[in-house]
Amino acid sequence: AAGVIQSPRHLIKEKRETATLKCYPIPRHDTVYWYQQGPGQDPQFLISFYEKMQSDKGSIPDRFSAQQFSDYHSELNMSSLELGDSALYFCASSWLAGDATDTQYFGPGTRLTVL
Amino acid sequence: KQEVTQIPAALSVPEGENLVLNCSFTDSAIYNLQWFRQDPGKGLTSLLLIQSSQREQTSGRLNASLDKSSGRSTLYIAASQPGDSATYLCAASTGTASKLTFGTGTRLQVTL
Repeated sequence: AAGVIQSPRHLIKEKRETATLKCYPIPRHDTVYWYQQGPGQDPQFLISFYEKMQSDKGSIPDRFSAQQFSDYHSELNMSSLELGDSALYFCASSWLAGDATDTQYFGPGTRLTVL
Repeated sequence: KQEVTQIPAALSVPEGENLVLNCSFTDSAIYNLQWFRQDPGKGLTSLLLIQSSQREQTSGRLNASLDKSSGRSTLYIAASQPGDSATYLCAASTGTASKLTFGTGTRLQVTL
């Protein structure tokens, strides 16, 4: 079965640089979520989109922005990177219109390292 | 604001033992609760999801229960194996298309 795809899997950036993380949800899924997991921490919700509209927002810095495109893939843009942005970034998708359980399926994550 | 905690933070058991992992949440108005497994530096693998209207779910050697009134969920692992060694996370959502609030995780080690 198709899973959530994230790219790149690993990314190394310098401080103050910009990074773009991509997420391709499971086909037919209409909702995308982004989470950040710092070293030794639990995942923290950043932002979500339903049918290309932002549906919820968590502790996402103003330096970060995200959007969901017409093909339902999503991108997380991160500017002015700081050392503290080093983390695993997970994307998850769900099928709000067709799955009453609203199960979120997670991608493998993108490991971002800021030097 | 939903807060989720897990006890114990770490657990070491010999192979073959049955064990219980605990998850507590502060807001009983949850929509569903998911249990995940995470290997070091890896992604999240969904193990079980319990909807608010359910009391338990089973998958193989795993059984998860939910008690909304007491704000608790448990994950029961039967006949533990070394391959079960990982961090187990519970996460609660409070509505459809709602964010998941994760617990602090229990790091499990199953020894030979």
